[in-house]
Amino acid sequence: GEDVEQSLFLSVREGDSSVINCTYTDSSSTYLYWYKQEPGAGLQLLTYIFSNMDMKQDQRLTVLLNKKDKHLSLRIADTQTGDSAIYFCAENGGSSNTGKLIFGQGTTLQVKP
Amino acid sequence: EPEVTQTPSHQVTQMGQEVILRCVPISNHLYFYWYRQILGQKVEFLVSFYNNEISEKSEIFDDQFSVERPDGSNFTLKIRSTKLEDSAMYFCASNKAERRTEAFFGQGTRLTVV
Repeated sequence: GEDVEQSLFLSVREGDSSVINCTYTDSSSTYLYWYKQEPGAGLQLLTYIFSNMDMKQDQRLTVLLNKKDKHLSLRIADTQTGDSAIYFCAENGGSSNTGKLIFGQGTTLQVKP
Repeated sequence: EPEVTQTPSHQVTQMGQEVILRCVPISNHLYFYWYRQILGQKVEFLVSFYNNEISEKSEIFDDQFSVERPDGSNFTLKIRSTKLEDSAMYFCASNKAERRTEAFFGQGTRLTVV
């Protein structure tokens, strides 16, 4: 069935780049998403990419999509302590037409000063 | 900026009791969802709701669960007889269209069943 996998933890120093990786199984996904969850807060949509694109840049965020390998990454340039959070990769369950999202388990990003 | 709001933020209930989790989606959205996140696990899809009916549900969403949009603004999730394993963070989300870019999530309700 549909599955999304992420590494659980990433630690970087402030000012470095962070790269969070995700793999998914559903080849019919049309949108892939990155959500951010800060402590005690809900899920905030950071960015998304349509499946016919291979890259999207939005200020400090760069999303790379390798559709052949079903691999998605999120690069955060100049990582700040405020970027510390859990980052969830999600795909829109391409075989479904109801808009449900399939999430990975989340990557905890720790930014050290 | 419009947002999805959920109440309460934290609910403690005894096993076997009924709970109702409430959500107010963004006003011009048409698609509504419930997700849950058991501590340390993935965010899991429960149910989607459109045009006053369930459009899709997961295996988790059994007969103990129900959803309702009673008054055109609230969207509720009811768990009839809570079990310990229902303890989780429950997220409501809404969307303008099922394949469009943004699903907006509420801040979640933490349900603790004791």
